Amino acid sequence: AQKVTQAQTEISVVEKEDVTLDCVYETRDTTYYLFWYKQPPSGELVFLIRRNSFDEQNEISGRYSWNFQKSTSSFNFTITASQVVDSAVYFCALSENQAGTALIFGKGTTLSVSS
Amino acid sequence: GAVVSQHPSRVICKSGTSVKIECRSLDFQATTMFWYRQFPKQSLMLMATSNEGSKATYEQGVEKDKFLINHASLTLSTLTVTSAHPEDSSFYICSARDQGDEQFFGPGTRLTVL
Repeated sequence: AQKVTQAQTEISVVEKEDVTLDCVYETRDTTYYLFWYKQPPSGELVFLIRRNSFDEQNEISGRYSWNFQKSTSSFNFTITASQVVDSAVYFCALSENQAGTALIFGKGTTLSVSS
Repeated sequence: GAVVSQHPSRVICKSGTSVKIECRSLDFQATTMFWYRQFPKQSLMLMATSNEGSKATYEQGVEKDKFLINHASLTLSTLTVTSAHPEDSSFYICSARDQGDEQFFGPGTRLTVL
């Protein structure tokens, strides 16, 4: 069965620290898509990244980077030099077979960055 | 980028009343929209898949007679919570899929039932 596990419920760091949010997924499909979303207190989901199962290249976007490893079924997210504005709930999600199917979300990791 | 709106953003209603939430794709056509529910400090859970011109597909445990979904046009899906009760208080988020299979989320509707 498909499943997304975010084992870290809450993480607290001080500004400028690097932080990695873990995501482990389960799926039987060979074609699938992985996502990360940020949810600030306003509630609106902010799209961060989508990666398909055939593209294992790591990605960097500014202070954000993602490490996709099929061998361990993980899609971890690292924020470098964290800032207070990074404080939010971060969700990892999976969609199977096609990009446009409904998403299966992990339980989320609450990141608190203090100054 | 594609924009999805939801209306209202917040609603407070009395127990026993019905509430309608609209989800609109503003600049693209969406044959499929999804409705998710998020209880406080929890994850998003899929409630139903809404397909234009046909009946919605509900996830296990979601009462279709309580959560009425209508997808009457390619840009609008509505979710009606009938006879709402306090346990229905939640954050309801829709997403719309465009023709390129990209999915875009609405800003959510916070429902409080007194």
